[in-house]
Amino acid sequence: NAGVTQTPKFQVLKTGQSMTLQCAQDMNHNSMYWYRQDPGMGLRLIYYSASEGTTDKGEVPNGYNVSRLNKREFSLRLESAAPSQTSVYFCASNPGLVKNEQFFGPGTRLTVL
Amino acid sequence: GQQLNQSPQSMFIQEGEDVSMNCTSSSIFNTWLWYKQEPGEGPVLLIALYKAGELTSNGRLTAQFGITRKDSFLNISASIPSDVGIYFCAGSTASKLTFGTGTRLQVTL
Repeated sequence: NAGVTQTPKFQVLKTGQSMTLQCAQDMNHNSMYWYRQDPGMGLRLIYYSASEGTTDKGEVPNGYNVSRLNKREFSLRLESAAPSQTSVYFCASNPGLVKNEQFFGPGTRLTVL
Repeated sequence: GQQLNQSPQSMFIQEGEDVSMNCTSSSIFNTWLWYKQEPGEGPVLLIALYKAGELTSNGRLTAQFGITRKDSFLNISASIPSDVGIYFCAGSTASKLTFGTGTRLQVTL
């Protein structure tokens, strides 16, 4: 039982390049989330998917798109990366029941030059 | 967007000391969660609180859900070196979490 996995672990992009961050969970959870973490800012929600087939914007969605590919997988895409998107990105999941206990992946550290 | 006020921002303590940290909000939350994050890792859930006034323990950790539902407290007793990390509070409404800015804990021998 791997929990929440993320790939890649590290990535360096040039301004304007695109990339997709992958996330998968093997806990049969309904809800999945993408956060970014910047120094002194805590974690901020980018997008979430309350259930398979639905996605919604979080606090900081600009510059990102998401796809809930199936119940297990939730990807985050940067179409045209900007230096302001340099951050650590975390994926999380929760069973989607009343108790919103989210379980996090190990993160992707992204640098945009 | 809203973020929770977490204090203190950082703490330097000696091994064996007790630690207290808290989290406050202008909004009411249905659930309070406490996470710990170690360098290079994702946050790990420590304690979840579901009722106003609830006090819950997990080993040396004790957390309380404030009566007003706008705050929560985390205490660590008899700290040890592996307690080092950043502790985050999070308040839950519906299916989303709002996180605090974290308390960085350093433990010296």
